[in-house]
Amino acid sequence: KNEVEQSPQNLTAQEGEFITINCSYSVGISALHWLQQHPGGGIVSLFMLSSGKKKHGRLIATINIQEKHSSLHITASHPRDSAVYICAVKRANFGNEKLTFGTGTRLTIIP
Amino acid sequence: GAVVSQHPSWVICKSGTSVKIECRSLDFQATTMFWYRQFPKQSLMLMATSNEGSKATYEQGVEKDKFLINHASLTLSTLTVTSAHPEDSSFYICSARSWGWSDTSTDTQYFGPGTRLTVL
Repeated sequence: KNEVEQSPQNLTAQEGEFITINCSYSVGISALHWLQQHPGGGIVSLFMLSSGKKKHGRLIATINIQEKHSSLHITASHPRDSAVYICAVKRANFGNEKLTFGTGTRLTIIP
Repeated sequence: GAVVSQHPSWVICKSGTSVKIECRSLDFQATTMFWYRQFPKQSLMLMATSNEGSKATYEQGVEKDKFLINHASLTLSTLTVTSAHPEDSSFYICSARSWGWSDTSTDTQYFGPGTRLTVL
């Protein structure tokens, strides 16, 4: 079983729909990242969370440390949001800088 | 925001040749850089952790003599794929760790745009 699990693996939605992507992890963490990878391959860091909730434009990320779960929400989705969204966690070991990645969620927004 | 660049963005080479990929942090100093490899439709796999001024730490299964990493300055790390073979064809991504950068409260990683390597 992977230490970081994402669901769904693939998601297709109509433009304007509210999108939720989930991430569950099984290890203690100090931080969780949400990343966006466009078809060209480049990766953009969307959020880094250690608690609570963050919002940037139409994107909202939440994390529940007790439940070891995070969600990424996209409001008023747009075709340009089509990408692979990756959850990555930084383990809670002092000096451990490595990230453990989920397998990603491929989001397709249809006009 | 913090910017990490990679050069080249893509490269095609013949089997047996060596290829060097550069990773630069453009507006911050990165004491640590990470090199990842990504095969189609798979997630990123960490290859090695590169610390400025010291030897890189390689993940299990990654050949250090084949994937040479040099982190000579706080803004530049290079990955050289030596004697490349078709199975080395992949998407290589670096990230740079920002710690104590001016508008980040905790350390985070910034990713480069990636380099697509095709070995013929």
